[in-house]
Amino acid sequence: EVQLLESGGGLVQPGGSLRLSCVASGFTFSSYDMSWVRQAPGKGLEWVSSIYSSGGNTYYADSVRGRFTISRDNSRDTLYLQMNSLRADDTAVYFCAKHHSAYSNSRIYYFDYWGQGTLVTVSS
Amino acid sequence: QSALTQPASVSGSPGQSLTISCTGTSSDLGGYSYVSWYQQHPGKAPKLMIYDVSKRPSGISNRFSGSKSGNTASLTISGLQAEDEADYYCSSYTSSSAFDVVFGGGTKLTVL
Repeated sequence: EVQLLESGGGLVQPGGSLRLSCVASGFTFSSYDMSWVRQAPGKGLEWVSSIYSSGGNTYYADSVRGRFTISRDNSRDTLYLQMNSLRADDTAVYFCAKHHSAYSNSRIYYFDYWGQGTLVTVSS
Repeated sequence: QSALTQPASVSGSPGQSLTISCTGTSSDLGGYSYVSWYQQHPGKAPKLMIYDVSKRPSGISNRFSGSKSGNTASLTISGLQAEDEADYYCSSYTSSSAFDVVFGGGTKLTVL
């Protein structure tokens, strides 16, 4: 059974930093592209960042580019999101998501498994 | 403001068929056939229901079907069931430089 377990969320002041982690199990993590998708309270879904299976290619939404860094450790089956210079509008539940294999190593993203999410609240 | 436009809410009775629309532009779903739909129950993670406009992942009921015409994609749910009550989000590849994938604002489906 595919499982994705996020952690690392919490309350942080504007300008602060957090690192999110997502531990994967039930599939060969190193073979799949992964993403972070967020959802502000009561709002819709917003793609944040993606990384190819090898970790060699990373992509970001304009809203987080230069502030967030996605990475992965395939030896630990873990995906990360380092978030710096956090702002109030970064407040959201952050989901890690596994890409469907239909378009591996491409910029066509279908998310076939999701974690339960971790809440990040940016407030003074 | 979301890049793709969905109705805020739709409703139907058990057993009925219902369609949720998703409108974009030529830069996203109008120009490409990389459209997907997600179902999200309150407090839960989204679930992939449709990809490549009309393909169903394994395990997804054939009561769910997808289509596209021009700049509008549609999700049709036939034989509505109480468990279908959820939020539904469309998504599309985009040629925008600001992001790689765009979502609709979501549609709340109520089963009467």
